[in-house]
Amino acid sequence: NAGVTQTPKFRVLKTGQSMTLLCAQDMNHEYMYWYRQDPGMGLRLIHYSVGEGTTAKGEVPDGYNVSRLKKQNFLLGLESAAPSQTSVYFCASSTSGRVNEQFFGPGTRLTVL
Amino acid sequence: KNEVEQSPQNLTAQEGEFITINCSYSVGISALHWLQQHPGGGIVSLFMLSSGKKKHGRLIATINIQEKHSSLHITASHPRDSAVYICAVTGNQFYFGTGTSLTVIP
Repeated sequence: NAGVTQTPKFRVLKTGQSMTLLCAQDMNHEYMYWYRQDPGMGLRLIHYSVGEGTTAKGEVPDGYNVSRLKKQNFLLGLESAAPSQTSVYFCASSTSGRVNEQFFGPGTRLTVL
Repeated sequence: KNEVEQSPQNLTAQEGEFITINCSYSVGISALHWLQQHPGGGIVSLFMLSSGKKKHGRLIATINIQEKHSSLHITASHPRDSAVYICAVTGNQFYFGTGTSLTVIP
């Protein structure tokens, strides 16, 4: 099993460009999450999904959109990238609910110039 | 206002030392998690606790629900334990601490 994978691993964007980050899991998990990690700050939840076809906002959703068309995939979109979105993005999944162990992807380092 | 506070922020230890990392939280929780983030960036879940104590190898995690406090202990520390250790709590929302950076010197 690959676990949780993220594509791409690195990306540099110019302000105003758009991109989509892909997260895939092969553990048949119901819950999936997108976080961002910035220096000096803890991980912050952007959006999450409790099942195929569902999405919900987390702590810092502005400027991001998500989709969960298939159970195994969770996409994070930036429609018009801003320098404030320079960060490391982590995807995670869990079997169900917040009390369960989360499995994290390797991260995507995004720089917006 | 930080819902999860960790101490210390940075810790340097000699190989073989007993290490303690502390986590205090201010919200009601369903569970507390300890995560490990290696220099390469990957994050691994070490423990999930809702009460009492758990042990895995040289790592021990405890939680005191009444005092809203958890500790992560590493016995006989080793350079490969060098990483950032993150405390996270789950309740109505997710809250993560900023992490404790541990360096174990041979």
